[in-house]
Amino acid sequence: QVKLVESGGGLVKPGGSLRLSCAASGFTFNEYYMSWIRQAPGKGLEWLSYMTSSGSTIYHADSVKGRFTISRDNAKKTLYLQMSSLRVEDTAVYFCARVLGIGRPDYWGQGTLVTVSS
Amino acid sequence: QSALTQPASVSGSPGQSITISCTGTSSDVGGYNYVSWYQQHPGKAPKLMIYDVTNRPSGISNRFSGSKSGNTASLTISGLQAEDEADYYCSSYTSGDTLVLFGGGTKLTVL
Repeated sequence: QVKLVESGGGLVKPGGSLRLSCAASGFTFNEYYMSWIRQAPGKGLEWLSYMTSSGSTIYHADSVKGRFTISRDNAKKTLYLQMSSLRVEDTAVYFCARVLGIGRPDYWGQGTLVTVSS
Repeated sequence: QSALTQPASVSGSPGQSITISCTGTSSDVGGYNYVSWYQQHPGKAPKLMIYDVTNRPSGISNRFSGSKSGNTASLTISGLQAEDEADYYCSSYTSGDTLVLFGGGTKLTVL
């Protein structure tokens, strides 16, 4: 069965960096778009970033452009999110999700909490 | 691009039916039949309940149904049960670089 497991979250000071990972199993990873979606405490879902199966197309939301970078290692079946210049407002649960090309996130991980605080 | 518009909250009694709306534009909801609905319980990941406007993934109760008219999609839950109490989010394919838009979410309370 499809399984996505995020890791790498934690407490970081403003201005700091963190790298999230998402280990995938149960499907052919290199055939699917992958994405990061976050949810601030008590707030809704925010579409953050996605990458096509080959990595030829990458999108980052304006809120993180220039600070966050999505990447993937198809051999390791792992998705990454490198986060730098972190701000208090980046505090959220970060989910990775498999995405169909028609814009459907269908399977989600359980999420990893990132807390940015001094 | 703006988020899709959902009511902040809806409520209903056990056994009743409720409908949650999701309004977009002709560049997303109205232009494509790629609207999805997700259920999220506190502390859990969102779960896909409806895809491509009307389709249910395997294992999802037929009490959940979806529809669309113009730029507005709807999720209907019939025969409300206590376990349906959750947050519900719509999403849609959108033309352009973004690929996906989410609604702001609707909190369903079962009275």
